[in-house]
Amino acid sequence: EIVVTQSPLSLPVTPGEPASISCRSSQSLLHSNGFNYLDWYLQKPGQSPQLLIYFGSDRASGVPDRFSGSGSGTDFTLKITRVEAEDVGVYYCMQALATPITFGQGTRLEIK
Amino acid sequence: EVQLVESGGVVVQPGGSLRLSCAASGFTFDDYAMHWIRQAPGKGLEWVSLISWNGGVTYYSDSVKGRFTISRDNSKNSLSLQMNSLRAEDSALYYCARDEHGTASPGYKFVNWGRGTLVTVSS
Repeated sequence: EIVVTQSPLSLPVTPGEPASISCRSSQSLLHSNGFNYLDWYLQKPGQSPQLLIYFGSDRASGVPDRFSGSGSGTDFTLKITRVEAEDVGVYYCMQALATPITFGQGTRLEIK
Repeated sequence: EVQLVESGGVVVQPGGSLRLSCAASGFTFDDYAMHWIRQAPGKGLEWVSLISWNGGVTYYSDSVKGRFTISRDNSKNSLSLQMNSLRAEDSALYYCARDEHGTASPGYKFVNWGRGTLVTVSS
């Protein structure tokens, strides 16, 4: 099983300031086709999760460009250039390379 | 508009059985693989199971293998999860989710989620 580890687990941010979440996997998520199989999801309070980023860096449809994903292999980062109030919630990274599909523990972003 | 509506969640005793359903609409159901993902109260996300577009390929997490069975009825646009030998640790909100692809192959991506159905295993 591929273990996925996020940090930090809690992230207080002032509106307008940047935020960054790290995700590390126990095995490389770089497929032979050149794609990194790492997704990011956001679960807003009281809602179902929503896809933000796939292939490590591709934004899903409708996701604001203040969200960006980067990294390759075993180390990935989700960045928000300027946090807005609507960005609060729990962010999860997920390895999409192999079953069992595994998620990180989640990072709770809150507004200061 | 894509809609996934889960149902079947109830309070059940340990050792009992339960069948969850997910009604899909707004897309061509038999084009896509489908997943079940669960979330225990106040906890993170845990992937449970995956089924390919035609039901020919299924995968399970180790925690449910041998106890849960995923299936689909493409004629009814419906996904199911048969849950047997339920344990307290199976208590969770169960989501169904649509994958971007039809085959059960790497590159999994949960593009649409339902709102979930709550399963509570308690005596």
